[in-house]
Amino acid sequence: KAGVTQTPRYLIKTRGQQVTLSCSPISGHRSVSWYQQTPGQGLQFLFEYFSETQRNKGNFPGRFSGRQFSNSRSEMNVSTLELGDSALYLCASSLGSGQDEKLFFGSGTQLSVL
Amino acid sequence: AQTVTQSQPEMSVQEAETVTLSCTYDTSESDYYLFWYKQPPSRQMILVIRQEAYKQQNATENRFSVNFQKAAKSFSLKISDSQLGDAAMYFCAYRSRIGNQFYFGTGTSLTVIP
Repeated sequence: KAGVTQTPRYLIKTRGQQVTLSCSPISGHRSVSWYQQTPGQGLQFLFEYFSETQRNKGNFPGRFSGRQFSNSRSEMNVSTLELGDSALYLCASSLGSGQDEKLFFGSGTQLSVL
Repeated sequence: AQTVTQSQPEMSVQEAETVTLSCTYDTSESDYYLFWYKQPPSRQMILVIRQEAYKQQNATENRFSVNFQKAAKSFSLKISDSQLGDAAMYFCAYRSRIGNQFYFGTGTSLTVIP
């Protein structure tokens, strides 16, 4: 079974631009979560999508948004990029339908904002 | 909101020796899950071990075991017979019984010395 796939692996943008990151979950998984990882901050929860609906949201500004498609693939968008948005963005999928949930992560997209 | 604290930014261990990574958390909930994830240089987070709060018995997975102290809100990871492949960043994580949001610590970087 294929794992969680994130594209692209690396991305370089300049301040003010926008960016879209993609995540394909494990087949059969309906929940996709996004996390921002920065040195010293650990992983910060961005949001979770389940069956094309945002089910939970972290404490990030509205510049961060996402969506999920009917095939459970998800995209995350960051508009008006700031230097502080430079980070590793990790996507994780899970079944999403039970209490006994385990997250399976992709290898992340490393975003650099210049 | 729940918080997870890893007070050891870096740890090192001799190959074949035992090392313990510390994690504490803060919550008012009585039922929850705790996890240890490993992030090697490939960046992909890998689940190492999981503990259910209502189970008193400490979880064990081969060379990995935990010391779960619910009253103290402590969840340490013990790695026995350390191997070079254990070198990675280790993250402690908390998840409520209901909902799919995970809270992560800031990580401990483990070096294994040959």
